[in-house]
Amino acid sequence: EDQVTQSPEALRLQEGESSSLNCSYTVSGLRGLFWYRQDPGKGPEFLFTLYSAGEEKEKERLKATLTKKESFLHITAPKPEDSATYLCAVQAGNTGKLIFGQGTTLQVKP
Amino acid sequence: DAGVIQSPRHEVTEMGQEVTLRCKPISGHDYLFWYRQTMMRGLELLIYFNNNVPIDDSGMPEDRFSAKMPNASFSTLKIQPSEPRDSAVYFCASSDRGPGRTLHFGNGTRLTVT
Repeated sequence: EDQVTQSPEALRLQEGESSSLNCSYTVSGLRGLFWYRQDPGKGPEFLFTLYSAGEEKEKERLKATLTKKESFLHITAPKPEDSATYLCAVQAGNTGKLIFGQGTTLQVKP
Repeated sequence: DAGVIQSPRHEVTEMGQEVTLRCKPISGHDYLFWYRQTMMRGLELLIYFNNNVPIDDSGMPEDRFSAKMPNASFSTLKIQPSEPRDSAVYFCASSDRGPGRTLHFGNGTRLTVT
């Protein structure tokens, strides 16, 4: 069964304290791995797509990496405005649909 | 671009009542998706359309749920009769490249069934 697991469920950081979020997956034929950011009361907002192991994407303080079994979202010197829930999703090869993880809720304190 | 527009933002109804959620996708996007988000199950795909035609409704929980897309700029998700376990946030999303491409989400409808 296709599955996506994110860890930790919640993460509290001090402003400037770098860390990483994990997304591990089991899927038949990965066609793409997606990271989304979700603010309270809003819909998820697209951040990155990764397609193959070894690929990396960066945007401001965020960097996403991909291996054959997991993806990491690295947050460098976070700011309070980075506080949000970060969702990982994989596109399963057999159906083509996105399967989302439960998310990691990040809180960055000033 | 106004983005994906959903209405209402909040809906409170009593068990047994009919509920209709509405969505206007981004103009030019020919894929439309309905997702449901709960604490227990996270974000789940219910159904998606391509060019107004339902392609995959395997995520629709039961016959009480139905979705329509009468034209390229409007879709509805209906629950009849509603039950307390239907309480969740329902998101509509659209895409111009298919189910595995970048999705543009609306801000959701928070449904509470008492």
